[in-house]
Amino acid sequence: DTAVSQTPKYLVTQMGNDKSIKCEQNLGHDTMYWYKQDSKKFLKTMFIYSNKEPILNETVPNRFSPDSPDKVHLNLHINSLELGDSAVYFCASSKDREYEQYFGPGTRLTVT
Amino acid sequence: QKEVEQNSGPLSVPEGAIASLNCTYSDRGSQSFFWYRQYSGKSPELIMFIYSNGDKEDGRFTAQLNKASQYVSLLIRDSQPSDSATYLCAVLDNAGNMLTFGGGTRLMVKP
Repeated sequence: DTAVSQTPKYLVTQMGNDKSIKCEQNLGHDTMYWYKQDSKKFLKTMFIYSNKEPILNETVPNRFSPDSPDKVHLNLHINSLELGDSAVYFCASSKDREYEQYFGPGTRLTVT
Repeated sequence: QKEVEQNSGPLSVPEGAIASLNCTYSDRGSQSFFWYRQYSGKSPELIMFIYSNGDKEDGRFTAQLNKASQYVSLLIRDSQPSDSATYLCAVLDNAGNMLTFGGGTRLMVKP
């Protein structure tokens, strides 16, 4: 059974479009995260949600908007896509913020 | 700005040798430290976590933490070609909110 799943795995789209990435975890965790990993492999925190509530927005443009309908799902919506948004986006979850995080398989976004 | 620094490598070791991966961090109040392994094209996978000064061993892996020196390391004994990957050091801020990742060290274990 997949612990943290993301869809789609690959996303190719044109500049200016709007797209969404879905994330689901079946670990019973309370906290979920979105990360961006750029071409230089740096992993950067984008958002943290705890019990469906936003805890952190780490200087991410307003074009990025997460939503968490329940503790199992944390989706990422991106509007007006730009070339610089091309990256791998990882969803992760943890029991609580102090505990180890488990990552989803990633979504490779390519903006042309 | 909180920073976590790692030598990007590649660190090349022969099969069976000990691989030593190092990480320094700037936030003196950090309490929790994690090592993740990331194979090319895959997601980060937790290897170990350590909270207290000293050594923590798990199989072939040993994490070492020195909070006074703001230094954390990962030792891999009896390195195998399957250990070849990028190893990411991550530090949880002292508010217990956010992980800051280092840029990773690429390890190559040669048969």
